Amino acid sequence: DVQLVESGGGLVKPGGSLRLSCAASGFIFSTYTMNWVRQAPGKGLEWVSSISAGSSNIHYLESVKGRFTISRDNAKNSLYLQMNSLRAEDTAVYYCARGFSTTPFEYWGQGTLVTVSS
Amino acid sequence: EIVLTQSPDFQSVTPKEKVTITCRASQSIGSNLHWYQQKRDQSPKLLIKFASQSFSGVPSRFSGSGSGTDFTLTINRLEAEDAATYYCHQSSSLPVTFGQGTKLEIK
Repeated sequence: DVQLVESGGGLVKPGGSLRLSCAASGFIFSTYTMNWVRQAPGKGLEWVSSISAGSSNIHYLESVKGRFTISRDNAKNSLYLQMNSLRAEDTAVYYCARGFSTTPFEYWGQGTLVTVSS
Repeated sequence: EIVLTQSPDFQSVTPKEKVTITCRASQSIGSNLHWYQQKRDQSPKLLIKFASQSFSGVPSRFSGSGSGTDFTLTINRLEAEDAATYYCHQSSSLPVTFGQGTKLEIK
């Protein structure tokens, strides 16, 4: 079975940094584009970033460009999101999701909560 | 950026009813439209891909239709377990975007 397990969320002050991880299993991780999607408390879904299988194609939501960095380690079946200069509006549950940019997100993790507050 | 607008935002329905949720795109997206179900405190789950293709394991009472700018998710013979928020998602162009969600309450 496909499993995606996020970790690394927590409480951080505005301007601070956090690194999220997503451990993948049950499929050939190195052949799939991976994504981060977030959901602010009580709000809808918002795509944040995607990275292709070989890391050659990376895309970001405009509001996180220059602050967030997506990466992956195919040897460790892991996806990462380095988040710097965090703002209150980045507060959300962050999900990793499997899917190419032109396809649906077929599988999602359980999410990890990031709270940016002083 | 392609904007997806769902209607209604909220609907209260009784079991065994038929439910229709619509999603309208701000420009043509072909069939690159997908539907998700998100139950309270859970992650989203894919129901329908490419407008009308059922995802593996999804009950047959869920179906989708449409192309271009207008899409529909239909739930036949609603069950109590279908209480959730439903989202549409377009993968036609980056940034991929989601509709604002439709919350379904079961009476």
